[in-house]
Formats: sequence, structure tokens, C-alpha cells
Amino acid sequence: AQKVTQAQTEISVVEKEDVTLDCVYETRDTTYYLFWYKQPPSGELVFLIRRNSFDEQNEISGRYSWNFQKSTSSFNFTITASQVVDSAVYFCALSEATRGRRALTFGSGTRLQVQP
Amino acid sequence: SQTIHQWPATLVQPVGSPLSLECTVEGTSNPNLYWYRQAAGRGLQLLFYSVGIGQISSEVPQNLSASRPQDRQFILSSKKLLLSDSGFYLCAWSVQGKANYGYTFGSGTRLTVV
Repeated sequence: AQKVTQAQTEISVVEKEDVTLDCVYETRDTTYYLFWYKQPPSGELVFLIRRNSFDEQNEISGRYSWNFQKSTSSFNFTITASQVVDSAVYFCALSEATRGRRALTFGSGTRLQVQP
Repeated sequence: SQTIHQWPATLVQPVGSPLSLECTVEGTSNPNLYWYRQAAGRGLQLLFYSVGIGQISSEVPQNLSASRPQDRQFILSSKKLLLSDSGFYLCAWSVQGKANYGYTFGSGTRLTVV
């Protein structure tokens, strides 16, 4: 069965610090998709990134970057020069393409607090 | 463009009362539809998903049920709410057969059972 683990329950940093959120996944499927979502206090889920299992290139989008390593089944998310507006709960999620239900399995989330 | 509507935004209901949460999708046809629940301070748990009208798969045995009476309408119901049903409920949709296209979530319903 698929599983996503976010071992960091809560992280607190001071503004302008870099922070990395860890995500480790388990799947028996050879084709799968990994996602990161941001949940601000309003509760809505904001889509950040989607990667497929065949594309291991790291991606950078502004202050955000993602490190996908199939060898360690990890899809970590780094925020560079964090800002107060980055404070939120961040979820990593997995979707299998060929096996099982076509639904997202979420990690338990990491609450990021960025202090001014 | 596709949009997803979910209502109400907040709801306070007494224990033992019925529940009906509605979710509708516009701008697409034959979507996969999902209901997730997030208990306070917890992750998101898949409750139900549907690949077509009248086709409902339940992930977790519970006090809730789901129905899909129309292609783009997904309803979450309960006959008698429990305190443990409190939480944040999110509806989502995805393109049928295209897991790589991603998932779009509604704005959620915060349910408090008192």
C-alpha cells in the first residue's frame, strides 16, 4: 500500500533562514506522482508542485526548490530565505498511476512557523 | 475553466443531527471526485472517492456516506452526527484516468459537532 511520511511535525525558523521539509514515500507502483500542497490558516489547499516518477530533475521556483531522489524514496522541499507568509502547514502527497485507487495519499503534514 | 464549489463554509451541528455537504464541479465532465477529512491538527484522510455516477468507494468505515447523483455533484451525508465527525472536510476532483493532471480542492467546510 502507498504511504507518505513527514517526520517533522513542526518546524520553527526565523525569517530569512532556509528550511527543508522532508518527505519519504512508499509505493509498489512504477509510475506515480508526487505533490506538495500548502495549507495556510484559511484551510484551503494550495497546490505547489507535481512531479512524476520518471523525472528526477530537481526543480526551482523562486524561493522554493524540490529535491526528488528515487533511490531514497524522498521528495524534499526547501524554502530559501523564508518569510512570515510562508507560515503554514505543508503536505506531501502521492498518487499511484496504475495500481490501486486514483486518489492522493497525504503525509501528516509539517507545520512551519516563520518568526519575524 | 474548471471550478469546484463546496458549501457551506462552516457548520455547527448538534450530536445526533443529520448532515449534508455538497460539492459541485464546473467546466469538466466525468471527473473523479473525492471527499477528504482533516481532524484538528492532523493530516488529510480520504473518506470516499467516485469514478462515476452512483459509483462510490469507501476508504474508512464510519458514520458517513457519500452519493453522486449527477456527474459533477458529490454529496457527503450522515444520518446522525457524532462528536468525532468534527473536522475540516475537503472535496476534490481530478481528470478521469489522468493521475498526472493533479487534483483540485474546494475551499472546505469546517464542521463542529456540539
